[in-house]
Amino acid sequence: EAGVAQSPRYKIIEKRQSVAFWCNPISGHATLYWYQQILGQGPKLLIQFQNNGVVDDSQLPKDRFSAERLKGVDSTLKIQPAKLEDSAVYLCASSLVWTPQETQYFGPGTRLLVL
Amino acid sequence: AQSVAQPEDQVNVAEGNPLTVKCTYSVSGNPYLFWYVQYPNRGLQFLLKYITGDNLVKGSYGFEAEFNKSQTSFHLKKPSALVSDSALYFCAVSDGDQAGTALIFGKGTTLSVSS
Repeated sequence: EAGVAQSPRYKIIEKRQSVAFWCNPISGHATLYWYQQILGQGPKLLIQFQNNGVVDDSQLPKDRFSAERLKGVDSTLKIQPAKLEDSAVYLCASSLVWTPQETQYFGPGTRLLVL
Repeated sequence: AQSVAQPEDQVNVAEGNPLTVKCTYSVSGNPYLFWYVQYPNRGLQFLLKYITGDNLVKGSYGFEAEFNKSQTSFHLKKPSALVSDSALYFCAVSDGDQAGTALIFGKGTTLSVSS
């Protein structure tokens, strides 16, 4: 079974530029998550989708971050404009269903450096 | 509010010795507990989870964890450490009484196994 795919793996941009990350979840997984992992910290949820609907975006900085999951499959996370503090690894995860006991499977992440 | 504490930033153990990585949690409802491992430049890999039932949970690569409700702990253990176990370990919790709640992660513990 193919895992969660993410691209690009690495991205370097200057502050105030925009950037987009792509995620393709495990086939058949209804729930998709985007996490931000700052160096030395655990992942923090940014947004959670159930199929193509948002179920939790309470920690997404909506003035600069946006995400969509068209057709309930792959997803894009965008940052515009980027700030220095956005430097982090952005992890995408998916799970079969939207329940708290369901295992989340993570992609390899996109490492973003904002200069 | 949910929270996870991993009190040790780093755990050092010699190959062949038993290892323990500590985790305590706080959740208002029923806790669902997870352990993930992260190797350099890789995403998080699922090791094991506790949902209900037997307090001793067995997972991948010979790891196990013991759920202790009175001490609100979920320590990760392995009887005999391998050098290849060296990695960053994350404990996470979700609230089983709230549908769709996201995982809350600890800050991680670096395990270093020496030969």
